[in-house]
Amino acid sequence: DIVMTQTPLSLPVTLGQPASISCRSSQSLVSSDGNTYLSWLQQRPGQPPRLLIYKISNRFSGVPDRFSGSGAGTDFTLKISRVEAEDVAVYYCMQPTQFPYTFGQGTKLEIK
Amino acid sequence: EVQLLESGGGLVQPGGSLRLSCAASGFTFSNYAMNWVRQAPGKGLEWVSKISGSGDSTYYAASVKGRFTISRDNSKNTLYLQMNSLRAEDTALYYCATRIATPGAFDYWGQGTLVTVSS
Repeated sequence: DIVMTQTPLSLPVTLGQPASISCRSSQSLVSSDGNTYLSWLQQRPGQPPRLLIYKISNRFSGVPDRFSGSGAGTDFTLKISRVEAEDVAVYYCMQPTQFPYTFGQGTKLEIK
Repeated sequence: EVQLLESGGGLVQPGGSLRLSCAASGFTFSNYAMNWVRQAPGKGLEWVSKISGSGDSTYYAASVKGRFTISRDNSKNTLYLQMNSLRAEDTALYYCATRIATPGAFDYWGQGTLVTVSS
């Protein structure tokens, strides 16, 4: 199985400051078609997960541009340029390159 | 508008069975693979199973293989998860999720249905 390792697991951030979450996969996520299907999801308290970023760096419809994704191969990063109160949530990376699909453990972002 | 609505959760004894449903609307259901993802209380996300749009291909996590069966009825726009031989560790919120507009990502999720396995 591909293991997805996120750091940190807890992220206290001051409002208006940037935040960064790392996700590392145990194997390359480059698919046979040459694409890398790493995505990021946000789960606010009491809500289902919501897609933020797909294919490493593409924002899903309606996602604010303060969210950005980057990386390649096995190392990926989600950045929030200026954290807002509504960003309090758990963030997950996910890979659908190989079965079983796997998620990172989740990073809990809180306001300091 | 894409909507996924899960149902069928509840309290069941260890060793028991339950069938979950996910009613889909707002898209051509038969064109898209569907997934079940679960989340134990206070824990992270775990992918459970996937079925192709036609229903011909199915995939399972090792933790549920042989006990759970995913299926779909494209005439009813409904996804199912038959869960047998349930264990305490199957206690979780079960979501259905799909990829419609984005390559390789789950862009639509239901609200989830809670399964509790306890005596």
